[in-house]
Amino acid sequence: EAQVTQNPRYLITVTGKKLTVTCSQNMNHEYMSWYRQDPGLGLRQIYYSMNVEVTDKGDVPEGYKVSRKEKRNFPLILESPSPNQTSLYFCASSFWGPGNIQYFGAGTRLSVL
Amino acid sequence: AQKVTQAQTEISVVEKEDVTLDCVYETRDTTYYLFWYKQPPSGELVFLIRRNSFDEQNEISGRYSWNFQKSTSSFNFTITASQVVDSAVYFCALSELANNLFFGTGTRLTVIP
Repeated sequence: EAQVTQNPRYLITVTGKKLTVTCSQNMNHEYMSWYRQDPGLGLRQIYYSMNVEVTDKGDVPEGYKVSRKEKRNFPLILESPSPNQTSLYFCASSFWGPGNIQYFGAGTRLSVL
Repeated sequence: AQKVTQAQTEISVVEKEDVTLDCVYETRDTTYYLFWYKQPPSGELVFLIRRNSFDEQNEISGRYSWNFQKSTSSFNFTITASQVVDSAVYFCALSELANNLFFGTGTRLTVIP
C-alpha cells in the first residue's frame, strides 16, 4: 500500500531534550516536506527536499533540522525543543514537478513541556 | 507573494443542507495549482481535488463541486446535501512552479444531524 509513515504519532518531551520524528514513503517520490499545523494558522512549511541531499527552508524553519540521505526517508530533528514547538506535524511527499499531489502522513502530535 | 484566504473559520449546517466553503488566493504567477484537502476528526489530511490555472471548468464529483474563477481569484467548494461524515476541517492550498504548498487557515465544517 502506498503511504507516508510518520513515527511516533504522539510524543511528550521536555524542553531541551533532542528528538527526531521519522518520515518514510514507499512511492519513490523525489519531493518530501514537513509542515506544522497550529490552531488558526493552518499548515506552514518547515523544510522541504527536492531530492537526496537537497534540502531547503520553508516558512518556519527556526529550531528544526532535516536530512535526506535516502530517497525514502526525511527525518525532522529538534535539537533543543522549546514549548513553542508544541504542534501537530505532518510529513508529505510527491513526485517532483509543478502541481503534483502531495500525500500526507498521519501526523505527529508533539508536546514540549 | 502567494497567499490563501479562507475567511470562514467555522460553519455549521443541518444535515442535507448545501454548504459552500470559500477560498480566495493571491499569486503573481500565471501558472499555478489549487488544491482542496479534508482533515476529518481522525486528523489525517485527505486530498480532494487539484485544478490548474489554465482550466477554469467547474467540476462535480458526486455531492462535491468546485467553482474556479480566475476573475475573482476564487476556488470555492460546495457540498450538496451535506452529511454528518462531511464534518471536518477543509483546507484550500496553492502551489506555483515549485511543489511547495501554501495553505489557508482552514474552515471547520460541522454537520448537525
